[in-house]
Amino acid sequence: GEDVEQSLFLSVREGDSSVINCTYTDSSSTYLYWYKQEPGAGLQLLTYIFSNMDMKQDQRLTVLLNKKDKHLSLRIADTQTGDSAIYFCAESSSGSARQLTFGSGTQLTVLP
Amino acid sequence: DAGVIQSPRHEVTEMGQEVTLRCKPISGHNSLFWYRQTMMRGLELLIYFNNNVPIDDSGMPEDRFSAKMPNASFSTLKIQPSEPRDSAVYFCASSPRANTEAFFGQGTRLTVV
Repeated sequence: GEDVEQSLFLSVREGDSSVINCTYTDSSSTYLYWYKQEPGAGLQLLTYIFSNMDMKQDQRLTVLLNKKDKHLSLRIADTQTGDSAIYFCAESSSGSARQLTFGSGTQLTVLP
Repeated sequence: DAGVIQSPRHEVTEMGQEVTLRCKPISGHNSLFWYRQTMMRGLELLIYFNNNVPIDDSGMPEDRFSAKMPNASFSTLKIQPSEPRDSAVYFCASSPRANTEAFFGQGTRLTVV
């Protein structure tokens, strides 16, 4: 079956860049997502990228996709304490939430 | 719009009791999803409704779990009888159409003791 893997923890200093990595196994993945979950809250869709793209930038967020290696990364520039949260990578072959496969999440801690 | 609303936010119950989790999707959304999040298994899709009809319930772990959507603005997930291993955060999500992004509620943290 499909599998999405992420490292569990990442710590960075405030103002530095954060890079959260994700690998997936499903070669039919068409949509790749990054979700953010703050303590006690639901999942918030941050950004997504189609598999025919290599990069997508949205303000402080940059998503890079290496389709050959099935590797996805999320870079957060100028990381702030408010960015501390769990970040989930997810993939779908159809774009439907019914077929989302989530990674285990990366806990990002931003140190002052 | 207030977003997807779930209640209660927290539920603590004794093993063997019935538990009912509630969800109000975003108005106008016709797809609704129930997910379960645990440390061991991460996020798992339990069941998916489209236009109030259950389309895929293959993720429902056992017969103790049941879900209903009597109308477009309300859904329930019921566990009867509950067991300690059901302890998890249960998320409801809705989307405007089946193949669009899902908007998640804040979740219900269930603890079965």
